[in-house]
Amino acid sequence: RKEVEQDPGPFNVPEGATVAFNCTYSNSASQSFFWYRQDCRKEPKLLMSVYSSGNEDGRFTAQLNRASQYISLLIRDSKLSDSATYLCVVNWGTNAGKSTFGDGTTLTVKP
Amino acid sequence: GAVVSQHPSRVICKSGTSVKIECRSLDFQATTMFWYRQFPKQSLMLMATSNEGSKATYEQGVEKDKFLINHASLTLSTLTVTSAHPEDSSFYICSARDVGGTYNEQFFGPGTRLTVL
Repeated sequence: RKEVEQDPGPFNVPEGATVAFNCTYSNSASQSFFWYRQDCRKEPKLLMSVYSSGNEDGRFTAQLNRASQYISLLIRDSKLSDSATYLCVVNWGTNAGKSTFGDGTTLTVKP
Repeated sequence: GAVVSQHPSRVICKSGTSVKIECRSLDFQATTMFWYRQFPKQSLMLMATSNEGSKATYEQGVEKDKFLINHASLTLSTLTVTSAHPEDSSFYICSARDVGGTYNEQFFGPGTRLTVL
């Protein structure tokens, strides 16, 4: 079993749709959680950190469920520019601890 | 967010040559930097963790003598691909963690696309 697992995708949705991505992690000692987006042939960029209380940034909402070891990302009112690969990232250990990336879920928003 | 630069952005070299890639944190200090490799349509693969002032920690299966890492200062880490071969052609990305950060976010450089002929 992978340490971080994501929905395989791809997700193809029309503009304006709401789409949700799920991610599960196996290490219960995990401490920090993030969603990154990666555009084709570009580096990953931090989309948002995921806090225990859940957090929202505009059209994006992230949730964390520690009991179920589960993270989600909800995108409302999808835009064409949201098309990208979304990476779930989990970090454990101290500040020097390394992160584990999920394989990513590809989203294509169509007109 | 914090800014990480990488140089060069693209390099094409002949088989057998060595290639050096630089990773710099521009507006923060990074005691730890990470080097990843990404092949087309695959996920990021962590190669090594670079620690300022000490030896890098390599992931299983990554040859430390082939991928030399030096982290001489809090803002610079270098990766040297020695005696590069066509199978080393890939997208190499570094990331740095802000020691002053709260949530252990990593900030990525723009990547270096290596093509070995």
